[in-house]
Amino acid sequence: AQSVTQLDSQVPVFEEAPVELRCNYSSSVSVYLFWYVQYPNQGLQLLLKYLSGSTLVKGINGFEAEFNKSQTSFHLRKPSVHISDTAEYFCAVSDLYNQGGKLIFGQGTELSVKP
Amino acid sequence: GAGVSQSPSNKVTEKGKDVELRCDPISGHTALYWYRQSLGQGLEFLIYFQGNSAPDKSGLPSDRFSAERTGGSVSTLTIQRTQQEDSAVYLCASSFSGATYNEQFFGPGTRLTVL
Repeated sequence: AQSVTQLDSQVPVFEEAPVELRCNYSSSVSVYLFWYVQYPNQGLQLLLKYLSGSTLVKGINGFEAEFNKSQTSFHLRKPSVHISDTAEYFCAVSDLYNQGGKLIFGQGTELSVKP
Repeated sequence: GAGVSQSPSNKVTEKGKDVELRCDPISGHTALYWYRQSLGQGLEFLIYFQGNSAPDKSGLPSDRFSAERTGGSVSTLTIQRTQQEDSAVYLCASSFSGATYNEQFFGPGTRLTVL
Protein backbone atom coordinates (compact mmCIF):
# COMPACT_ATOMS: atom_id res chain seq x y z
CA ALA A 1 0.00 0.00 0.00
CA GLN A 2 1.04 3.55 -0.67
CA SER A 3 2.58 5.49 2.18
CA VAL A 4 4.08 8.93 2.62
CA THR A 5 6.72 9.83 5.18
CA GLN A 6 7.44 13.35 6.26
CA LEU A 7 10.70 13.08 8.09
CA ASP A 8 10.31 16.10 10.36
CA SER A 9 7.27 16.68 12.50
CA GLN A 10 8.40 20.18 13.47
CA VAL A 11 10.77 22.61 11.79
CA PRO A 12 11.63 25.84 13.60
CA VAL A 13 13.39 28.45 11.48
CA PHE A 14 14.20 32.14 11.67
CA GLU A 15 12.60 34.65 9.33
CA GLU A 16 14.44 35.10 5.99
CA ALA A 17 16.29 31.79 6.42
CA PRO A 18 15.93 29.01 3.83
CA VAL A 19 13.86 25.94 4.65
CA GLU A 20 13.45 22.41 3.33
CA LEU A 21 10.58 20.14 4.33
CA ARG A 22 11.27 16.53 3.48
CA CYS A 23 8.88 14.02 1.96
CA ASN A 24 9.40 10.44 0.80
CA TYR A 25 6.82 8.11 -0.68
CA SER A 26 6.81 4.36 -0.84
CA SER A 27 5.53 3.26 -4.20
CA SER A 28 7.58 2.54 -7.26
CA VAL A 29 4.58 2.92 -9.55
CA SER A 30 3.80 6.20 -11.25
CA VAL A 31 2.33 8.75 -8.90
CA TYR A 32 1.20 12.32 -8.76
CA LEU A 33 2.63 14.33 -5.87
CA PHE A 34 1.19 17.26 -3.98
CA TRP A 35 2.06 19.67 -1.20
CA TYR A 36 -0.78 21.23 0.77
CA VAL A 37 -0.57 23.93 3.44
CA GLN A 38 -2.91 24.36 6.39
CA TYR A 39 -2.83 27.74 8.11
CA PRO A 40 -4.13 27.89 11.69
CA ASN A 41 -7.86 27.28 11.85
CA GLN A 42 -8.17 27.02 8.08
CA GLY A 43 -8.67 24.26 5.54
CA LEU A 44 -5.98 22.77 3.33
CA GLN A 45 -4.76 24.77 0.34
CA LEU A 46 -2.76 23.41 -2.58
CA LEU A 47 0.80 24.77 -2.73
CA LEU A 48 2.02 22.87 -5.77
CA LYS A 49 1.79 19.57 -7.59
CA TYR A 50 3.94 17.33 -9.77
CA LEU A 51 2.20 15.50 -12.58
CA SER A 52 4.89 15.01 -15.23
CA GLY A 53 7.61 16.86 -17.10
CA SER A 54 10.14 19.06 -15.34
CA THR A 55 11.12 17.65 -11.99
CA LEU A 56 11.31 21.13 -10.44
CA VAL A 57 7.86 22.44 -9.67
CA LYS A 58 7.11 25.98 -8.62
CA GLY A 59 4.11 26.81 -6.48
CA ILE A 60 2.47 29.69 -4.72
CA ASN A 61 4.11 31.93 -2.13
CA GLY A 62 7.61 31.29 -3.45
CA PHE A 63 7.68 27.58 -2.66
CA GLU A 64 9.14 24.96 -4.98
CA ALA A 65 9.64 21.22 -4.84
CA GLU A 66 11.80 18.75 -6.67
CA PHE A 67 10.65 15.31 -7.72
CA ASN A 68 13.37 12.68 -7.46
CA LYS A 69 12.19 9.35 -8.81
CA SER A 70 15.25 7.35 -7.86
CA GLN A 71 15.03 8.49 -4.26
CA THR A 72 11.20 8.53 -4.23
CA SER A 73 11.33 11.99 -2.71
CA PHE A 74 9.48 15.26 -3.19
CA HIS A 75 11.09 17.79 -0.86
CA LEU A 76 9.62 21.27 -0.47
CA ARG A 77 11.89 24.32 -0.35
CA LYS A 78 11.74 28.05 0.06
CA PRO A 79 14.86 30.23 -0.11
CA SER A 80 13.63 32.83 2.38
CA VAL A 81 10.69 32.29 4.72
CA HIS A 82 8.33 34.85 6.24
CA ILE A 83 6.44 34.86 9.52
CA SER A 84 3.28 34.31 7.47
CA ASP A 85 4.61 30.93 6.29
CA THR A 86 3.99 29.54 9.77
CA ALA A 87 1.60 26.66 9.13
CA GLU A 88 1.38 22.90 8.82
CA TYR A 89 2.52 21.40 5.54
CA PHE A 90 1.30 18.09 4.16
CA CYS A 91 2.84 16.01 1.42
CA ALA A 92 0.40 13.77 -0.45
CA VAL A 93 0.48 11.19 -3.22
CA SER A 94 -2.10 9.89 -5.65
CA ASP A 95 -1.56 6.69 -7.57
CA LEU A 96 -1.98 7.13 -11.34
CA TYR A 97 -3.84 3.86 -11.48
CA ASN A 98 -6.09 4.68 -8.55
CA GLN A 99 -9.60 5.44 -9.63
CA GLY A 100 -10.81 8.66 -8.13
CA GLY A 101 -7.61 10.31 -7.07
CA LYS A 102 -7.88 9.78 -3.34
CA LEU A 103 -4.91 11.31 -1.61
CA ILE A 104 -2.58 9.53 0.78
CA PHE A 105 -1.11 12.09 3.16
CA GLY A 106 2.02 12.24 5.24
CA GLN A 107 1.80 13.05 8.93
CA GLY A 108 2.50 16.72 8.36
CA THR A 109 5.34 19.09 9.21
CA GLU A 110 4.72 22.05 11.44
CA LEU A 111 6.78 24.99 10.19
CA SER A 112 7.33 27.66 12.79
CA VAL A 113 8.96 30.87 11.58
CA LYS A 114 10.42 33.04 14.31
CA PRO A 115 11.42 36.71 14.04
CA GLY B 1 -16.48 33.19 -3.51
CA ALA B 2 -18.17 29.81 -3.49
CA GLY B 3 -15.71 27.42 -1.92
CA VAL B 4 -16.43 24.15 -0.16
CA SER B 5 -18.53 24.73 2.93
CA GLN B 6 -19.08 22.44 5.89
CA SER B 7 -21.48 22.52 8.78
CA PRO B 8 -21.42 22.62 11.68
CA SER B 9 -17.95 24.01 12.27
CA ASN B 10 -17.89 22.42 15.72
CA LYS B 11 -19.91 19.57 17.17
CA VAL B 12 -19.77 18.26 20.71
CA THR B 13 -21.68 15.08 21.40
CA GLU B 14 -21.97 12.39 24.02
CA LYS B 15 -20.66 8.91 23.49
CA GLY B 16 -23.29 6.71 21.88
CA LYS B 17 -25.14 9.49 20.07
CA ASP B 18 -25.43 9.75 16.29
CA VAL B 19 -24.07 12.76 14.41
CA GLU B 20 -24.48 14.13 10.90
CA LEU B 21 -21.89 16.29 9.20
CA ARG B 22 -22.71 18.22 6.06
CA CYS B 23 -20.63 19.22 3.06
CA ASP B 24 -21.54 21.58 0.22
CA PRO B 25 -19.04 21.16 -2.62
CA ILE B 26 -18.07 23.75 -5.20
CA SER B 27 -20.79 24.07 -7.81
CA GLY B 28 -20.01 21.97 -10.87
CA HIS B 29 -17.56 19.67 -9.12
CA THR B 30 -18.53 16.07 -9.70
CA ALA B 31 -16.07 14.48 -7.28
CA LEU B 32 -16.43 14.72 -3.51
CA TYR B 33 -14.15 13.32 -0.82
CA TRP B 34 -14.28 12.95 2.95
CA TYR B 35 -11.11 12.82 5.02
CA ARG B 36 -10.50 12.66 8.76
CA GLN B 37 -7.72 14.53 10.55
CA SER B 38 -6.84 13.27 13.99
CA LEU B 39 -3.83 13.55 16.28
CA GLY B 40 -2.94 9.91 16.24
CA GLN B 41 -3.69 9.05 12.61
CA GLY B 42 -2.96 12.21 10.64
CA LEU B 43 -5.07 12.79 7.52
CA GLU B 44 -6.97 9.71 6.38
CA PHE B 45 -9.16 9.14 3.36
CA LEU B 46 -12.69 8.01 4.26
CA ILE B 47 -14.94 7.93 1.18
CA TYR B 48 -15.15 9.23 -2.39
CA PHE B 49 -18.13 10.03 -4.62
CA GLN B 50 -17.94 10.55 -8.37
CA GLY B 51 -21.09 11.46 -10.24
CA ASN B 52 -23.62 8.64 -10.16
CA SER B 53 -21.03 5.90 -9.70
CA ALA B 54 -20.95 3.70 -6.63
CA PRO B 55 -18.86 5.42 -3.94
CA ASP B 56 -15.42 4.20 -2.92
CA LYS B 57 -15.96 3.39 0.76
CA SER B 58 -12.60 1.74 1.28
CA GLY B 59 -11.46 4.21 3.94
CA LEU B 60 -14.45 4.04 6.28
CA PRO B 61 -13.11 2.75 9.62
CA SER B 62 -16.21 0.82 10.70
CA ASP B 63 -19.82 0.15 9.77
CA ARG B 64 -20.86 2.94 12.14
CA PHE B 65 -19.72 5.36 9.43
CA SER B 66 -21.81 6.02 6.34
CA ALA B 67 -22.18 8.79 3.82
CA GLU B 68 -24.51 9.77 1.07
CA ARG B 69 -24.55 12.35 -1.63
CA THR B 70 -27.89 13.63 -2.78
CA GLY B 71 -28.48 14.93 -6.27
CA GLY B 72 -24.79 14.82 -7.03
CA SER B 73 -24.17 17.80 -4.77
CA VAL B 74 -24.52 17.98 -0.99
CA SER B 75 -23.07 15.15 1.04
CA THR B 76 -23.78 14.02 4.57
CA LEU B 77 -21.40 11.92 6.66
CA THR B 78 -23.19 10.06 9.44
CA ILE B 79 -21.51 8.49 12.44
CA GLN B 80 -23.72 6.22 14.52
CA ARG B 81 -23.14 5.38 18.17
CA THR B 82 -20.17 7.74 18.39
CA GLN B 83 -17.08 6.68 20.32
CA GLN B 84 -14.36 8.85 21.84
CA GLU B 85 -11.91 7.71 19.17
CA ASP B 86 -14.17 9.34 16.57
CA SER B 87 -13.08 12.75 17.88
CA ALA B 88 -11.31 14.45 14.98
CA VAL B 89 -11.65 17.13 12.34
CA TYR B 90 -13.67 15.86 9.38
CA LEU B 91 -12.65 17.48 6.12
CA CYS B 92 -14.60 17.52 2.89
CA ALA B 93 -13.04 18.22 -0.49
CA SER B 94 -14.32 18.46 -4.03
CA SER B 95 -12.71 18.46 -7.44
CA PHE B 96 -13.82 19.13 -10.99
CA SER B 97 -13.70 15.43 -11.79
CA GLY B 98 -12.29 12.31 -10.23
CA ALA B 99 -9.13 12.50 -12.30
CA THR B 100 -6.08 11.95 -10.17
CA TYR B 101 -4.41 15.12 -11.43
CA ASN B 102 -7.25 17.44 -10.47
CA GLU B 103 -6.76 19.72 -7.49
CA GLN B 104 -8.95 18.92 -4.53
CA PHE B 105 -10.42 21.97 -2.82
CA PHE B 106 -10.92 21.52 0.89
CA GLY B 107 -13.52 22.93 3.22
CA PRO B 108 -12.68 24.33 6.68
CA GLY B 109 -13.69 21.12 8.40
CA THR B 110 -16.02 20.07 11.20
CA ARG B 111 -14.36 19.54 14.57
CA LEU B 112 -16.12 16.65 16.30
CA THR B 113 -15.62 16.10 20.02
CA VAL B 114 -17.10 13.00 21.59
CA LEU B 115 -17.34 13.21 25.38
